Amino acid sequence: RKEVEQDPGPFNVPEGATVAFNCTYSNSASQSFFWYRQDCRKEPKLLMSVYSSGNEDGRFTAQLNRASQYISLLIRDSKLSDSATYLCVVNSGGYQKVTFGTGTKLQVIP
Amino acid sequence: EPEVTQTPSHQVTQMGQEVILRCVPISNHLYFYWYRQILGQKVEFLVSFYNNEISEKSEIFDDQFSVERPDGSNFTLKIRSTKLEDSAMYFCASRLEAHGYTFGSGTRLTVV
Repeated sequence: RKEVEQDPGPFNVPEGATVAFNCTYSNSASQSFFWYRQDCRKEPKLLMSVYSSGNEDGRFTAQLNRASQYISLLIRDSKLSDSATYLCVVNSGGYQKVTFGTGTKLQVIP
Repeated sequence: EPEVTQTPSHQVTQMGQEVILRCVPISNHLYFYWYRQILGQKVEFLVSFYNNEISEKSEIFDDQFSVERPDGSNFTLKIRSTKLEDSAMYFCASRLEAHGYTFGSGTRLTVV
């Protein structure tokens, strides 16, 4: 099983739609989880950390399921500007190293 | 908003040459990292640096690579003898304890 696994997509959704991505991780000792967004040929930018109780930031909701070892990202009311690759990032125990998923590409269509 | 600054934005070098990629992390951050991303592939961890020493490194980070924090503000990645397969986007990142990483805008390294 890969350390961090994501469906590469692409997910093509109309403006205003709700879309959800999942990401599974293999290391049960992982403590820190993040969603990053990466635009084409740009650096990854932190979208949100993922907390055990789940957390929301505007249209974005992140959830963590430790028992099944996955995290999720829900985007409500998709905007054209949400089009990007969404990277699941998980630390490998301790804080020193994180592992990136391959990313899920989202295309929001007018 | 504080930024991680990387220079140059693009570097072209001949195979076998040495390159130094430069980064200025956010000033109160404690942990520093180098990652790379080959075009079309995922972001890969290279090395982490804390308290003036390497704390972890990946298999990619072999003897050809080294890092330095020479003056308390810069954080450099040196590749001693570049290979074609070193062509990638190199991202520097820094963070405070238990927070997310802030990435620089990257240096695109092209080895010809």
